[in-house]
This record gives sequence, structure tokens and C-alpha cells, in this order.
Amino acid sequence: DTAVSQTPKYLVTQMGNDKSIKCEQNLGHDTMYWYKQDSKKFLKIMFSYNNKELIINETVPNRFSPKSPDKAHLNLHINSLELGDSAVYFCASSQKGREDGYTFGSGTRLTVV
Amino acid sequence: RKEVEQDPGPFNVPEGATVAFNCTYSNSASQSFFWYRQDCRKEPKLLMSVYSSGNEDGRFTAQLNRASQYISLLIRDSKLSDSATYLCVVSLLKAAGNKLTFGGGTRVLVKP
Repeated sequence: DTAVSQTPKYLVTQMGNDKSIKCEQNLGHDTMYWYKQDSKKFLKIMFSYNNKELIINETVPNRFSPKSPDKAHLNLHINSLELGDSAVYFCASSQKGREDGYTFGSGTRLTVV
Repeated sequence: RKEVEQDPGPFNVPEGATVAFNCTYSNSASQSFFWYRQDCRKEPKLLMSVYSSGNEDGRFTAQLNRASQYISLLIRDSKLSDSATYLCVVSLLKAAGNKLTFGGGTRVLVKP
């Protein structure tokens, strides 16, 4: 019973394609996030949703579009993939008002060729 | 200047030895502090929160110096299983939500 689950785990695709990554959490948290970890291993926040409402959008190209159908799900759709999009994308969740950090999913390793 | 800076290492540590490293953060309004551990090709996992008075969790001791804006982590009696990348994390609670900012990580290699 994985707390934060992402699919797929690996994704290899060609430049210009459109792809989606799905995330689900069963922790009852009200806030979900997408983070990107690039080849230099820096984790950077991309988006945050609280109860389906977008609350953080950190200078991400508009080719990236998050969607939260409910507070347990946060999906990431990427249009017109570029080589520079190759990275590991982590989904995470937390409970607003609690300062004990996030729970991360196991990551989706995206390779654009 | 990066918001959270860490020495990337690696710190090569003999098994059983003590290792310490720290990070600095730039935003004095940061409110919460954490150390996360990330194993190769795995997700980050919370190691411990860092409190103003300093705190200990088994072999791990964390310290916070708000005046100098740095956080430290000390590992005593290092085990081979402590080999990992340790991520320094600061949190800024805003009305817009809880945003965690990660340092680039300090790599620790414990050797027999």
C-alpha cells in the first residue's frame, strides 16, 4: 500500500511528443507537488496544488500543465517534449499546516531522445 | 546565490567514524528545516526535522544556527548503510502554501 505512487516509473520518448505522468496519494493529504530533479541532482519545485487549487507555479514553461481532478491525484502533462525535459520527476504530498515535510513518490525517469 | 547551499562532497568516511557537514540558507524568513536522505536512483526521504535547540535521533544530531543561517548534521559511528546523499531543506510557509527548497545535497560514502 504505497503512500504516493507515480506511473510510469520510466518513460522514454522522442522529441516533440506529448506525455503524461500520473500521481496518486492515499495519505489523506490536502497538498500535492511536482518536483524536477535534473542531471545535477537539484530538486526544484514546479507546481503545488492544495485541494485541487493551483497555489505554486514556479516559472515552468507552459508546455507543462498539471491537473488535479481531486485532492488525491495530481497529474502532469507535458507537450512538445524537448531534450532538456529529461530528468526525474517526483510527485509529493503533505498536509497544509503541518511542518513535517513531504512524502515523495518513487519518481518517473523521463528520457527524451 | 542559491537559496540553499551545500558542499557536494563526497565525504569519504571510515566505518565507525564521525562525519559532520552543514549547509547555509539565504532567506532569513525560512521557518522550518529538515535533513532528507536520498539513495541512488531513489526518492528523498525525511531523515529528521531540525529544531532551534538542536536535536538528536540515534546516531544523528542536527543543529540550527539562525543568526548565521546554517544547519548542520553530524553522524556518529558511521555505518556502511549511511552512504547516501544528504539533502538540506528549508521551508517557507506562505499563505500560498508550504514550499520546500532543497540544497544540492552532500554525498557521503562510508567505507569498510
